Amino acid sequence: AQSVTQPDIHITVSEGASLELRCNYSYGATPYLFWYVQSPGQGLQLLLKYFSGDTLVQGIKGFEAEFKRSQSSFNLRKPSVHWSDAAEYFCAVAPYNTDKLIFGTGTRLQVFP
Amino acid sequence: DSGVTQTPKHLITATGQRVTLRCSPRSGDLSVYWYQQSLDQGLQFLIQYYNGEERAKGNILERFSAQQFPDLHSELNLSSLELGDSALYFCASGSNYGYTFGSGTRLTVV
Repeated sequence: AQSVTQPDIHITVSEGASLELRCNYSYGATPYLFWYVQSPGQGLQLLLKYFSGDTLVQGIKGFEAEFKRSQSSFNLRKPSVHWSDAAEYFCAVAPYNTDKLIFGTGTRLQVFP
Repeated sequence: DSGVTQTPKHLITATGQRVTLRCSPRSGDLSVYWYQQSLDQGLQFLIQYYNGEERAKGNILERFSAQQFPDLHSELNLSSLELGDSALYFCASGSNYGYTFGSGTRLTVV
């Protein structure tokens, strides 16, 4: 079955520490891949996206993600987390030839000073 | 401001009632998507409209319907509301190259 898995429900890091949020997908062909961030009471903001080409993509707010076809993964990283990064992060895929997004269950990031 | 406008921001209504949620897409976007976010189901795709026509359907209940008008704004109609319909309803516009979400309508059914 087609699915998007974010295995970490909740992650806590100290400000200034590095961050990696995991995302795995299960689809026949490589879908379009996205990371969105949702702050409390807000809508979803697109951080970055991957369609093809260079497997390391840069996004806004200092985030990057790496697509690994062999692992069906698209993990989100940030070298140094800021307190303002505390939010919920969603990985999403757009299966081939569709416009809809399939979202993972989200990872809630908490940042300690 | 994302450019996608949703009204109202909050809605409280009783079971059995009907409500209408409104969405104005970003200027130039022909597609509108509706999503429901709830604690138990997460973010679920409901329906997509493209230039007034239904393009794709997801996990949308028969009690729910949507339409897109000639000016491209869209409305999501929810009827015979149940407690379980309480959720955040998002509208988005754009394409699968990364669409833009509105700030949502929080529906509480009491």
